[in-house]
Amino acid sequence: SYVLTQPPSVSVAPGKTARITCGGNKIGSKSVHWYQQKPGQAPVLVIYYDNDRPSGIPERFSGSNSGNTATLTINRVEAGDEADYYCHVWDSSSDHYVFGTGTKVTVL
Amino acid sequence: QVQLVESGGGVVQPGRSLRLSCAASGFMFSSYAMHWVRQAPGKGLEWVADISSDGSNKFYADSVKGRFTISRDNSKNTLYLEVNSLRTEDTAVFYCARGISGGSFDDWGQGTLVTVSS
Repeated sequence: SYVLTQPPSVSVAPGKTARITCGGNKIGSKSVHWYQQKPGQAPVLVIYYDNDRPSGIPERFSGSNSGNTATLTINRVEAGDEADYYCHVWDSSSDHYVFGTGTKVTVL
Repeated sequence: QVQLVESGGGVVQPGRSLRLSCAASGFMFSSYAMHWVRQAPGKGLEWVADISSDGSNKFYADSVKGRFTISRDNSKNTLYLEVNSLRTEDTAVFYCARGISGGSFDDWGQGTLVTVSS
């Protein structure tokens, strides 16, 4: 089965840039989506189709995807960005959806 | 606005069954694929199952195949998940989510907690 690997945690100072990676075999050939989940809340879609933002998501959030790694970038990090982030793809070989292991972003 | 409201969770003994529901409103339910995703306490997200807009196609995670059944009633704008032969490792918050083109899930309910314990 397809596996997506994320770093367990990322720490960043306010105003700086956070980068969260998502590793998977030839992930660059898939569409990657990203979700933000705050404690006790449902996930929220923040990036879809590698680098598109749903309405209401700040431009500070962006994504990229190439080779074996997809990346979610959060510019000018704010305290409110502190959350768990998950990458997500559809694996066509199994017709299954797969979530990454999740990354906890801590704002220092 | 899109609203998804799950219900049906609770405490259940191992081996028993539950039926989870997800009431949808604010959009044309019959036009969208729908998904169930679960999250065990303190753990990550796990996709469970999905169903096509007309209910003709269904797919399941290997961990639940043969025990869980996804269905929908488009006349009632409601998604269901029948969970059978429950195990302690099925303890989780179950979310329903709307699927859009490209495979992302653009709206989620608040979840319903299923606790499997003797």
